[in-house]
Amino acid sequence: AQSVAQPEDQVNVAEGNPLTVKCTYSVSGNPYLFWYVQYPNRGLQFLLKYITGDNLVKGSYGFEAEFNKSQTSFHLKKPSALVSDSALYFCAVRVNQAGTALIFGKGTTLSVSS
Amino acid sequence: GAVVSQHPSWVICKSGTSVKIECRSLDFQATTMFWYRQFPKQSLMLMATSNEGSKATYEQGVEKDKFLINHASLTLSTLTVTSAHPEDSSFYICSASGLASFGQFFGPGTRLTVL
Repeated sequence: AQSVAQPEDQVNVAEGNPLTVKCTYSVSGNPYLFWYVQYPNRGLQFLLKYITGDNLVKGSYGFEAEFNKSQTSFHLKKPSALVSDSALYFCAVRVNQAGTALIFGKGTTLSVSS
Repeated sequence: GAVVSQHPSWVICKSGTSVKIECRSLDFQATTMFWYRQFPKQSLMLMATSNEGSKATYEQGVEKDKFLINHASLTLSTLTVTSAHPEDSSFYICSASGLASFGQFFGPGTRLTVL
């Protein structure tokens, strides 16, 4: 069965410092990996995805993520955090083609202090 | 980019009434739509998957007679919460996927409060 783990409920970082939000996955087959961000009472906004190709994926708002097959991880990173990055972040995985649902991690709350 | 809308964005209803939530793909044909439910500060839980013109596939533990899903066209899916009760209060989010698309595009969500 597919699953996604986000081991941290909350990540705190000071503005201007680098941030990392962790994600590991478990799938049988090649994973398609996604990161989404959610602001309070809003839907999900797509940040980036890994389908194939380069392990380092660059996405929206300066975020990037590195696919590590051996460690089955897909950590989200940003070199310099902004207060406006404070939100709830979800990692998600899907196997195979379109038409199958995303399986989400429990979410990690990112809090960036000024 | 692809846009998915939901209507209404929030609804308050009395216990025992039914509520319909619409999910529309505005600029692409959604062959598959998904309905998720999210409790406060929790993850999204998949409720059902619907393909246009077919019956929805419900996840284990989701009552199909309570959560009626219709996907009658390539741009519209509806979720009807029948005989709603306070425990049905939640944030309902739909997403849509097009043919051969690796992406899913999410609607803004509908906040349902049952009194």
